[in-house]
Amino acid sequence: DTAVSQTPKYLVTQMGNDKSIKCEQNLGHDTMYWYKQDSKKFLKIMFSYNNKELIINETVPNRFSPKSPDKAHLNLHINSLELGDSAVYFCASSQWQSNQPQHFGDGTRLSIL
Amino acid sequence: SQKIEQNSEALNIQEGKTATLTCNYTNYSPAYLQWYRQDPGRGPVFLLLIRENEKEKRKERLKVTFDTTLKQSLFHITASQPADSATYLCALDGGYSSASKIIFGSGTRLSIRP
Repeated sequence: DTAVSQTPKYLVTQMGNDKSIKCEQNLGHDTMYWYKQDSKKFLKIMFSYNNKELIINETVPNRFSPKSPDKAHLNLHINSLELGDSAVYFCASSQWQSNQPQHFGDGTRLSIL
Repeated sequence: SQKIEQNSEALNIQEGKTATLTCNYTNYSPAYLQWYRQDPGRGPVFLLLIRENEKEKRKERLKVTFDTTLKQSLFHITASQPADSATYLCALDGGYSSASKIIFGSGTRLSIRP
């Protein structure tokens, strides 16, 4: 009965590789997000999708490409991984209204060797 | 540029006391302010939301105030318990004009000692 689930929980890989993180929500929300939390614990938004349409695209390198096959899924693909990509990536979902809380997954800890 | 500051990186208080966390912001006019709790290895969990025209909001032992003149929100936990130990994040929500973008502070790590 997990609300927002993302896989994998841990991802350890070599610099230069390509990897994907998957996210699914069963809350019936129409908006999904990807956040990056760095070592200083700042949670920064990367992307937001509403009904499969890209709404927010922060200044993220184009090596990062989100894909939303349907409202319940938002995946994140990262090409040519760099050391600076090491962080915890969180997926979240909410209803498309500004006063709605966001529901987060438990994060994917990405470590680049 | 927009900036959010949570004044203490860490706060350590005695069980039973009231914990007060501060969130200050600049260059922003949020329509709403949210507070989240984050435990180690977990994602943030929503606690409370307060609107710009509300001064105070309560939920059980939690109380949030919002002063748009001071550009500050205070988050109080009364009768604190060791189980309240976690990192607390404030988040600003600008309303529809921000295309549902929320800006998070870096959090305050609260430790309640028995």
